[in-house]
Amino acid sequence: SAVISQKPSRDICQRGTSLTIQCQVDSQVTMMFWYRQQPGQSLTLIATANQGSEATYESGFVIDKFPISRPNLTFSTLTVSNMSPEDSSIYLCSGREETQYFGPGTRLLVL
Amino acid sequence: DAKTTQPPSMDCAEGRAANLPCNHSTISGNEYVYWYRQIHSQGPQYIIHGLKNNETNEMASLIITEDRKSSTLILPHATLRDTAVYYCIVRVAGGTSYGKLTFGQGTILTVHP
Repeated sequence: SAVISQKPSRDICQRGTSLTIQCQVDSQVTMMFWYRQQPGQSLTLIATANQGSEATYESGFVIDKFPISRPNLTFSTLTVSNMSPEDSSIYLCSGREETQYFGPGTRLLVL
Repeated sequence: DAKTTQPPSMDCAEGRAANLPCNHSTISGNEYVYWYRQIHSQGPQYIIHGLKNNETNEMASLIITEDRKSSTLILPHATLRDTAVYYCIVRVAGGTSYGKLTFGQGTILTVHP
């Protein structure tokens, strides 16, 4: 099974600023994803991170707000831009080869 | 991907089997049934998946009905550490083919002493 780590594990940020979350997988995976989990809610897919091309965003999520990079088969970043308190959530990275695995999440609080 | 329906919550006594049902009546022939769980403050954990045959691993068993319209996840001897939200998800065939894992609300399983 793949082991996925995320940095930072948590952060408190001021509104209007941006935060970049890093995701590292211990093995090469074909597909990587980013999810958001708002307080008390289930997971919502933000986008699929594609290596060497632009990410594929789900309805309601846009590149200007959540730019994503994926420079290789083991690493991806998600930036939450121009944050507002509504962005306070857990952000989870996920990687899939045969089976899909998840990182521990990044807990973001925006004041 | 087909939608799933799960009870919002269930209780189970420690040491007993926990049987978690899932309905997926619109499942397509190339969709697998996946089960994940999320223990409080952690990322989702993969449990098991299957297409049409029953499956068993070290964590659980998955029973899929013959018509594939429903399934049951069985934790044979539940422990307090199995208290979590359990998600049943159907997704297009496994491997690297594109298919999103779409999470519903899941079932909150509480294992009590």
